[in-house]
This record gives sequence, C-alpha cells and structure tokens, in this order.
Amino acid sequence: GQSLEQPSEVTAVEGAIVQINCTYQTSGFYGLSWYQQHDGGAPTFLSYNGLDGLEETGRFSSFLSRSDSYGYLLLQELQMKDSASYFCAVRDRDSNYQLIWGAGTKLIIKP
Amino acid sequence: DAGVTQSPTHLIKTRGQQVTLRCSPKSGHDTVSWYQQALGQGPQFIFQYYEEEERQRGNFPDRFSGHQFPNYSSELNVNALLLGDSALYLCASSHELGKNTGELFFGEGSRLTVL
Repeated sequence: GQSLEQPSEVTAVEGAIVQINCTYQTSGFYGLSWYQQHDGGAPTFLSYNGLDGLEETGRFSSFLSRSDSYGYLLLQELQMKDSASYFCAVRDRDSNYQLIWGAGTKLIIKP
Repeated sequence: DAGVTQSPTHLIKTRGQQVTLRCSPKSGHDTVSWYQQALGQGPQFIFQYYEEEERQRGNFPDRFSGHQFPNYSSELNVNALLLGDSALYLCASSHELGKNTGELFFGEGSRLTVL
C-alpha cells in the first residue's frame, strides 16, 4: 500500500531550528511536497523536491533522499507565527500524479 | 489577484440531506481539485476537474459528484449525507502546465457538519 509517516507533534523554542521528518512508501514516487496549515486556515505550499538533495527557500529548507524513501523539512530561526501543522505529500505516478498526504505534524513553538 | 474562494464557509446539515459547495479558482488556473480533511488528518483527494471533465477520482463513493463550469469554477455535491461526511472540504486550483511541481493553491475551505 501507500503510506506516509511523520511525527504527530513537535515542540521547539522560538529562535531555534527544528526538523520534521517524513518517510514514505509508495509504488510510483515522483516528488515530495510540503505544506503549512494554520488552525482554521488553508494549506499553503512551502516546497517541492523532485530530485535528491536540499532545496532552500528563506528560513525553510527541504531535503529528499529517494533511496531512503525519506525527506525532511527544516525550519530555522523559528518564529511564533510558524506554529502550525506541516504536511508532507507525495506525488505518485500510480495515482495519476495526485498528492498522497501524511497526517501532519503539529509544530508547537514556545517563547 | 483573488486567490481561491470557497462558499459557504460553514454549514450544518442533517443525515440524508444533500449539499453543494462552490469554488472559484485562482485567476489563471484551469484545474480544480477537491479534498476532504477530517479533524487532525491530512487532506484526502476526492476528484479533479479539468476542461469541465472529471479527470481523476479518489476513493470516494458516487454520492460525491462535481462539476466544472466554462469559467473554471467548480461545485462539489454530496448526496445522502452521513455523519462521517462531517469535515473540512478544501478546493485547490492549479494550472495544468504547473502540475510537475505539485503546487496547489487552496481555499479556506467549507466546514460541513452533519447532525
């Protein structure tokens, strides 16, 4: 079957660095996306990895290792506004390139 | 530039009733996807519309149907509502040419409560 696993909750301190891991099992992996969703809000796109390696966008970076079926989202210089749920989502060829989503990681930031 | 807009934002229905949710995609986007998000879960793909046709469908029963209009806006219809249909229904738009990155633009959602 197809599945994604990510921690349900992560706690970090303002100004620190946090890493949210995602492992996946899919039959036709194509790429890994990350989305942020604040409570009551819409998911917003953060990054996409189609190839192995690190993608950097400001304070956020995302990493992919296709051989390990593993990726992570790295958030630096954490701010209180980063408190949200973070979802990894896999694009899968065998699902007609639709996104298969993880259950999300709730990031709690303490002052 | 208006983003993705959905209506209504909240609604309450009773079991057995029918509901229609509406979505206007981001300007310049021609593809609309619908997702169901239960509390504490990730979005689950319902179906996708492109060129006024259902192009792909997730694992949802036929009670879930949709439509896309010539202006790219879309409707999601759910018949014979069940308690388990209570969820946040998200509409996401994209441009067909942008599909390789997987970037979707989401609306704020319609929160459906079935009593």
